[in-house]
Amino acid sequence: QKEVEQDPGPLSVPEGAIVSLNCTYSNSAFQYFMWYRQYSRKGPELLMYTYSSGNKEDGRFTAQVDKSSKYISLFIRDSQPSDSATYLCAMIKAAGNKLTFGGGTRVLVKP
Amino acid sequence: DSGVTQTPKHLITATGQRVTLRCSPRSGDLSVYWYQQSLDQGLQFLIQYYNGEERAKGNILERFSAQQFPDLHSELNLSSLELGDSALYFCASSADSQETQYFGPGTRLLVL
Repeated sequence: QKEVEQDPGPLSVPEGAIVSLNCTYSNSAFQYFMWYRQYSRKGPELLMYTYSSGNKEDGRFTAQVDKSSKYISLFIRDSQPSDSATYLCAMIKAAGNKLTFGGGTRVLVKP
Repeated sequence: DSGVTQTPKHLITATGQRVTLRCSPRSGDLSVYWYQQSLDQGLQFLIQYYNGEERAKGNILERFSAQQFPDLHSELNLSSLELGDSALYFCASSADSQETQYFGPGTRLLVL
């Protein structure tokens, strides 16, 4: 079983809809949580970085962390075709070094 | 643009050969990380260097090695290449461990 599980999708939504993404993890040692966006053949781009349970908002993006359930989410409001990409969750342990990634969810926002 | 640069963008080579991938971190970042992304394995951590010293190792093959130079750029050396080494190789940098990692554009390696 992988340490971080993420539905591969694809997730197809109409323009303007809310995109809801999530990851589950098995190791409670993970303390820092990130969401990256990756366009085809490009490097991952950091969207959100959180380290505590609760919500964090940045523009159209909201990240949620529930450490008790080992569950993290990313919501994208007012989705645009330019949001079509693969979204990767990633996490790191306290005093850790490496990022452990989920497999990524491919999102398609249709005009 | 993350500020992390990688060269070359693409590399096509034959089995058994050796290649070197290069990474320049963001200005001021001391930590460099190497990741491999393949279709079946996703993004996998290979190795981290901090200010010239190896700090952490992931599932890096013995045929692969890396180093970080005094100017903080890093090189990933892949030798005795096999077909299965075909993948995207990303470099990331951060100020220190647990700080935000910023990724470069990657090097696409194709082994024929």
